[in-house]
Amino acid sequence: AQKITQTQPGMFVQEKEAVTLDCTYDTSDPSYGLFWYKQPSSGEMIFLIYQGSYDQQNATEGRYSLNFQKARKSANLVISASQLGDSAMYFCAMREGQNAGNMLTFGGGTRLMVKP
Amino acid sequence: GAVVSQHPSRVICKSGTSVKIECRSLDFQATTMFWYRQFPKQSLMLMATSNEGSKATYEQGVEKDKFLINHASLTLSTLTVTSAHPEDSSFYICSARYPGQGRGGNTIYFGEGSWLTVV
Repeated sequence: AQKITQTQPGMFVQEKEAVTLDCTYDTSDPSYGLFWYKQPSSGEMIFLIYQGSYDQQNATEGRYSLNFQKARKSANLVISASQLGDSAMYFCAMREGQNAGNMLTFGGGTRLMVKP
Repeated sequence: GAVVSQHPSRVICKSGTSVKIECRSLDFQATTMFWYRQFPKQSLMLMATSNEGSKATYEQGVEKDKFLINHASLTLSTLTVTSAHPEDSSFYICSARYPGQGRGGNTIYFGEGSWLTVV
């Protein structure tokens, strides 16, 4: 079974509107971390936001927030007030366990396109 | 600013030659670094885990003799693609975990990535 699933291969959003990128995960480990990365066409991976499995509150970083639904095993990324520069690939990733060596498992990615 | 630096960002080499890619953690020590490969329009696939002072751990299907990994210091890991062939052309990217507690403590940062083209 896929450990990280991103069901939206591509999405359009109007500039200045909010958009939600879906991510569901599968793990039996009670300790895990969830990450979102942005990958522009240049290829670099830009860290956006992190959510730990024991965190009580949803993570927020500027215009990025993570809608963490632990029971549903979902960790959707919400981008508010979309900007043209937000157009990129977005990857959800998971790190399992305390001593997993920090290996990340990635979802297939979602290509976000912001329309002017 | 960048906390993990990767070099070179782009390299073109001839088939049969070897090419080395460096991954450096800036201002922090990384006992473990990871190397990923990404084919066009696909997600990142873990190739190997680089451990400082010991042998790298390779994922299934990754040739150890082809992709040599050396983690000689706490701030540097290198990936050498030996006897490169056109099918090795890809985007290679490394990552390292920023140590410590707090907001940055669980963050895994990536290098800028390296585009390899074998001609």
